[in-house]
Amino acid sequence: GDSVTQMEGPVTLSEEAFLTINCTYTATGYPSLFWYVQYPGEGLQLLLKATKADDKGSNKGFEATYRKETTSFHLEKGSVQVSDSAVYFCALSDPTTGNQFYFGTGTSLTVIP
Amino acid sequence: EPEVTQTPSHQVTQMGQEVILRCVPISNHLYFYWYRQILGQKVEFLVSFYNNEISEKSEIFDDQFSVERPDGSNFTLKIRSTKLEDSAMYFCASRGDRGADEQFFGPGTRLTVL
Repeated sequence: GDSVTQMEGPVTLSEEAFLTINCTYTATGYPSLFWYVQYPGEGLQLLLKATKADDKGSNKGFEATYRKETTSFHLEKGSVQVSDSAVYFCALSDPTTGNQFYFGTGTSLTVIP
Repeated sequence: EPEVTQTPSHQVTQMGQEVILRCVPISNHLYFYWYRQILGQKVEFLVSFYNNEISEKSEIFDDQFSVERPDGSNFTLKIRSTKLEDSAMYFCASRGDRGADEQFFGPGTRLTVL
């Protein structure tokens, strides 16, 4: 069945460091891929998405490329800020399985000044 | 910008009691979902709802759970007899139409079962 495997955390980085959070997926159809972010005490917010192979999603300096050949959707940011501290979830939505979301376990990121 | 809202933000209940978690999806959306996140674990799908009926449900969504759209705006999740292991954050989400892939999530209701 469909699933998402996400890099374990927690991750602690210094401000302006480079961030990579790995995400790989398994899907029966042609899924859309998402990164959601959860700030402390808040709900899930869409960060970026990609709907087909080779698409790149980007937002707020974050980006991720839908790689069908490696079934991956790694999240990257060139220079993190303290305000990026949050939990990041990789997710997929597969129309062949009713568009329910399958989430990874989440990666907690803490950015220190 | 339209958003999904959920009430209450935190619900504390005794084991065996019934709880109803409420959600107001985005007004022109057609597909509705409930997810839960046990502390420290991944967000898990519970149920999807379309055209006034359940379209998909996970194995977590057993006979103790039910969903309802009692009017044109609310979407509720009822747990008939809560168990300790039902303690979790419950998220409601909605999606626009068949062609839309993004789900919009509410802020969640934290359910604590004592």
